[in-house]
Amino acid sequence: AQKVTQAQTEISVVEKEDVTLDCVYETRDTTYYLFWYKQPPSGELVFLIRRNSFDEQNEISGRYSWNFQKSTSSFNFTITASQVVDSAVYFCALSEAGDSGTYKYIFGTGTRLKVLA
Amino acid sequence: DAGVTQSPTHLIKTRGQQVTLRCSPISGHKSVSWYQQVLGQGPQFIFQYYEKEERGRGNFPDRFSARQFPNYSSELNVNALLLGDSALYLCASSFRKGMGTGTSARDTQYFGPGTRLTVL
Repeated sequence: AQKVTQAQTEISVVEKEDVTLDCVYETRDTTYYLFWYKQPPSGELVFLIRRNSFDEQNEISGRYSWNFQKSTSSFNFTITASQVVDSAVYFCALSEAGDSGTYKYIFGTGTRLKVLA
Repeated sequence: DAGVTQSPTHLIKTRGQQVTLRCSPISGHKSVSWYQQVLGQGPQFIFQYYEKEERGRGNFPDRFSARQFPNYSSELNVNALLLGDSALYLCASSFRKGMGTGTSARDTQYFGPGTRLTVL
């Protein structure tokens, strides 16, 4: 069964520290997509990144970087030099094709990141 | 371009009542999905619609229903509300790129701000 595990429920760091959010997934498919979303207190899920199962290159976008390791079924997210505005709940999600050409996201339970000034 | 919009922002209902939530997708997006997010949990998939047809359904009771209109907006209906239906209801839209019809696992879903439903 598809599953996404975010073992870290809550992380607190001091501003300017680096922090890594872990994501481990389970799937039997060879083709799948992984996503990270940020959910600030307002509630809206903000898309951060999409990665397909065939592309294991790490990606960097500003202070954000992602490490995808198929061998360990992990897709970790690192924020460098964290800022107070990074405080939010972060979700990792897995997308697989379902029946009748449908697909759905399987979300992890999220990691609440608190960045203290 | 405007993002996904949802209405209302907040709702308070009592047990047994019925509720209708509304969603307008990003312009050009033909697929709408609904998710339920209970406090402290990740969103759970409820429905997916594409071109006005139901294309997927999560593990939710028949009290939950939805539809998509010709302009691709969507409504989620919940009948006979239970206390456990209290949650943030999120709508997401996506755009199918490239060849083919229907939806694809690679389509990025863009979420609206949600409707917070409280059932008393």
